Amino acid sequence: ETGVTQSPTHLIKTRGQQVTLRCSSQSGHNTVSWYQQALGQGPQFIFQYYREEENGRGNFPPRFSGLQFPNYSSELNVNALELDDSALYLCASSSGTSGSTGELFFGEGSRLTVL
Amino acid sequence: AQSVTQLDSQVPVFEEAPVELRCNYSSSVSVYLFWYVQYPNQGLQLLLKYLSGSTLVESINGFEAEFNKSQTSFHLRKPSVHISDTAEYFCAVRSRGASKLTFGTGTRLQVTL
Repeated sequence: ETGVTQSPTHLIKTRGQQVTLRCSSQSGHNTVSWYQQALGQGPQFIFQYYREEENGRGNFPPRFSGLQFPNYSSELNVNALELDDSALYLCASSSGTSGSTGELFFGEGSRLTVL
Repeated sequence: AQSVTQLDSQVPVFEEAPVELRCNYSSSVSVYLFWYVQYPNQGLQLLLKYLSGSTLVESINGFEAEFNKSQTSFHLRKPSVHISDTAEYFCAVRSRGASKLTFGTGTRLQVTL
């Protein structure tokens, strides 16, 4: 059984650029959530995808968007990068939707630096 | 809306001493409660969770937490810490029926000899 894998692990972008982060969910999981963890802070919920549909969104602007594919892997896209977007982006997979008590399994994250 | 407060940003402790990491939450609905641990340069790992039933929950590595509804707390305790427990600990809450976890700002546990 493979765990949650994220790529790339580290990347550097400049302001105004666009970035795509990728996540492969754990085998058997159909739900993927994305979180942003700024330095010294707790993770903040960006959004969740269940069976390829967005199933909840946090307080992030529309330039943060996502996709989930039929194999339940997911992408997080951020357009028009700002300096404050520098953070560790965490992907978590689980089984079921918000009505379930499914445990979240986190990947090791993608660290984005915006210069 | 819900929120989580972790009262201590850092907790230094000697090896084999007991420790308590404090967590308080606010929510207008019933919640699930979690503690996650984050080692340097790694993602989050679930340490323990309260979903329902017994208010005292335990992890496999000696940590325990007690859900106190009247005080809206979910403090994490360990009677004797080890150097390897050095990490960042996050308390989190999820409302029943909601999709997101709300995390606290974390407590850095630093265990020294």
